[in-house]
Amino acid sequence: GENVEQHPSTLSVQEGDSAVIKCTYSDSASNYFPWYKQELGKRPQLIIDIRSNVGEKKDQRIAVTLNKTAKHFSLHITETQPEDSAVYFCAAAQTSYDKVIFGPGTSLSVIP
Amino acid sequence: SAVISQKPSRDICQRGTSLTIQCQVDSQVTMMFWYRQQPGQSLTLIATANQGSEATYESGFVIDKFPISRPNLTFSTLTVSNLSPEDSSIYLCSVEEGGKYYGYTFGSGTRLTVV
Repeated sequence: GENVEQHPSTLSVQEGDSAVIKCTYSDSASNYFPWYKQELGKRPQLIIDIRSNVGEKKDQRIAVTLNKTAKHFSLHITETQPEDSAVYFCAAAQTSYDKVIFGPGTSLSVIP
Repeated sequence: SAVISQKPSRDICQRGTSLTIQCQVDSQVTMMFWYRQQPGQSLTLIATANQGSEATYESGFVIDKFPISRPNLTFSTLTVSNLSPEDSSIYLCSVEEGGKYYGYTFGSGTRLTVV
């Protein structure tokens, strides 16, 4: 089955700096890669996703890149703000209709 | 995106008893999923709940311990049976909204403590 790894497990950045979280996956059949943000005590919320026919996708301060050959995908957050502090999970699925397998998570702290 | 009502939000249960968690969606959805999230950990998929057929369980999860019902396209229940302290966790339901941008939406979760 699919296995998703994620690095780093914790990340601390100064406000205004960029943050990068990297993930790898094992199943070459995976084609859908969502990213979730989970604030303390709250449910995970989808922040961006990317499909295998796209190499990069951007939404304001958030961007995701995908390298299918290397089975790597990454989340980039620019101009970080204290409200970006949360746990971020990468995930993978064969399609956007299939079960989603989550990575272990990255705890991001943005220091004002 | 779909609105999910998950109940109860939290419960404290005695060892050996069972807890049934309900997930109600405000629209018809094809796929519903049940996840477990232990404190400080990631989300682990328990099973996929299919309407009209038996649930599909992930490795390490069995129907006798986690029976699931899916009577229609807007509702599902997860029962955690024969509770032990190791079952203390947050349980979340999730729905897939037919490939729209919204992706997968999660319920607010049920925090279970077994004493």
